Amino acid sequence: DTEVTQTPKHLVMGMTNKKSLKCEQHMGHRAMYWYKQKAKKPPELMFVYSYEKLSINESVPSRFSPECPNSSLLNLHLHALQPEDSALYLCASSQDAQGLNLPQHFGDGTRLSIL
Amino acid sequence: GENVEQHPSTLSVQEGDSAVIKCTYSDSASNYFPWYKQELGKRPQLIIDIRSNVGEKKDQRIAVTLNKTAKHFSLHITETQPEDSAVYFCAGQNTGFQKLVFGTGTRLLVSP
Repeated sequence: DTEVTQTPKHLVMGMTNKKSLKCEQHMGHRAMYWYKQKAKKPPELMFVYSYEKLSINESVPSRFSPECPNSSLLNLHLHALQPEDSALYLCASSQDAQGLNLPQHFGDGTRLSIL
Repeated sequence: GENVEQHPSTLSVQEGDSAVIKCTYSDSASNYFPWYKQELGKRPQLIIDIRSNVGEKKDQRIAVTLNKTAKHFSLHITETQPEDSAVYFCAGQNTGFQKLVFGTGTRLLVSP
């Protein structure tokens, strides 16, 4: 069964805090993604990891720092965020990032609020 | 890069009616087109996808059609039910690259 698990579900942090978002999948997928979604907008790609290596960074500010410790885990480290960074952060995974094995499956997201 | 446009932005139908959502894409090299359903406060959920080597795909009440020449694809939902109410996103990707590009979304409301 397809399942991508994200923690925490909600996060409130101040602009000077450091926090991390976590994503886990046990489907053997080798591509993992971070998206940012604002209200009433489509998901916006931030990062792509393929075989545990960063392959796409969509010009994301350095206050967002991704990390892929192993093929099942993906983290997003947050530091010195701005109020406009408040959004739903979605993790997704797929068997591969290109080619035939594409369908991306999303987690439930972390709803982030910056005070 | 790829650009995907989606229409309409809002669609209201009566239960039992059909609903059609249309998307156009700009990159003729795009060859993979998924559709996602997102209920309020929930994850985008893949409901159907199509590749450019087929013109139509159906799964129960949901079908997707693809016109490669015109660079557009459509989602068709028949016999709509209130639980079909959600935001639907189309997307396109060139499978030689790693980026999936989403349309702007359609809010579908099915009234009992």
